[in-house]
Amino acid sequence: SAVISQKPSRDICQRGTSLTIQCQVDSQVTMMFWYRQQPGQSLTLIATANQGSEATYESGFVIDKFPISRPNLTFSTLTVSNMSPEDSSIYLCSVGGFNQPQHFGDGTRLSIL
Amino acid sequence: GQQLNQSPQSMFIQEGEDVSMNCTSSSIFNTWLWYKQDPGEGPVLLIALYKAGELTSNGRLTAQFGITRKDSFLNISASIPSDVGIYFCAGGNTGTASKLTFGTGTRLQVTL
Repeated sequence: SAVISQKPSRDICQRGTSLTIQCQVDSQVTMMFWYRQQPGQSLTLIATANQGSEATYESGFVIDKFPISRPNLTFSTLTVSNMSPEDSSIYLCSVGGFNQPQHFGDGTRLSIL
Repeated sequence: GQQLNQSPQSMFIQEGEDVSMNCTSSSIFNTWLWYKQDPGEGPVLLIALYKAGELTSNGRLTAQFGITRKDSFLNISASIPSDVGIYFCAGGNTGTASKLTFGTGTRLQVTL
């Protein structure tokens, strides 16, 4: 399966600031997704990152708060904007294809003070 | 958003014992996946199921795709200490661009 690298692996940020998380894959992939995992909880899909077009967001997530870019088939970024303590979570990137299972990076552990 | 119900929520077992966990949904899925997450890491795919009634094994792990398409089961035989972790089921439908809905998780702890 593809090797997925996320940066940063963890960060501590001040409230009101923004952080951009990068997801790099070692091969071209059709689908890239961003998930949030709140402390002690399961994974919730934020959006599907579409190459060359705007991301598709799930209910409860908006572009102004979580802008996403996907300039090519191996790279995507997720920005967490105007952060508050409630945004403290693990943010995970996954990749897959149609009829192919998703594989995950190790995530970015974000704490907001 | 929707989450799938997993049971048990957590379990303590002794090394060598067999483990069973299940996942249920109010909606039908045409794909069921099982992942394991260790502390500080992302979920790792264990087994993928694509057909109702399908039974698939991966070493000591066996998973089944329920006939109703609304549930799935994971069994671990002869558990070992490295089986410790959180197990998540996930349901998907290829017609919805492969999006996954995750279960609530089962935390497994193995004692010697």
